[in-house]
Amino acid sequence: SQKIEQNSEALNIQEGKTATLTCNYTNYSPAYLQWYRQDPGRGPVFLLLIRENEKEKRKERLKVTFDTTLKQSLFHITASQPADSATYLCALDTLDSNYQLIWGAGTKLIIKP
Amino acid sequence: GAGVSQTPSNKVTEKGKYVELRCDPISGHTALYWYRQSLGQGPEFLIYFQGTGAADDSGLPNDRFFAVRPEGSVSTLKIQRTERGDSAVYLCASSLSPGPYEQYFGPGTRLTVT
Repeated sequence: SQKIEQNSEALNIQEGKTATLTCNYTNYSPAYLQWYRQDPGRGPVFLLLIRENEKEKRKERLKVTFDTTLKQSLFHITASQPADSATYLCALDTLDSNYQLIWGAGTKLIIKP
Repeated sequence: GAGVSQTPSNKVTEKGKYVELRCDPISGHTALYWYRQSLGQGPEFLIYFQGTGAADDSGLPNDRFFAVRPEGSVSTLKIQRTERGDSAVYLCASSLSPGPYEQYFGPGTRLTVT
């Protein structure tokens, strides 16, 4: 079956280190992939979008990579801060999904001071 | 400018009742999406509108769920004969257009069916 996998266990990172989150997918041909941040009790907030023909995208301390051979996207936060603590969600739009985003369950990131 | 707003923020209803959830998208956004999110899960797609028409309603779980967007702006998600399994956070999002554009989410409506 088609699915998107994100690490369900919380990721604990020391402040100042780089946090790396993983999004794996199976049986999709993604046209693009998006990463969102979600804080408790709030809706997701868009962070980055990367297209299938792009290998890497950066925005300030954030970096996303997209490997369509491995069927994987990595999301990096450099110089992490306690304020980066949140749940991070990845979402795919495939070539045949009619603009419907398919979401992972998210990974909870905890940055310890 | 104002973001996406949703009302009510919380709704508690009894099993079997009818509920309406409202979404006010960002002005000028033609695409509007409804999702449902359970604890520890990602958003689950329900339906999306392009303008006034439902472009894809394949995520609606059954015919108790219905959504409208009569003037291409505000949308209402309607749930008939609510069941306890309908309890979740219902999220609305809008984007400039369907496709590779970021979606702007509202804060959600937490629905609890007792």
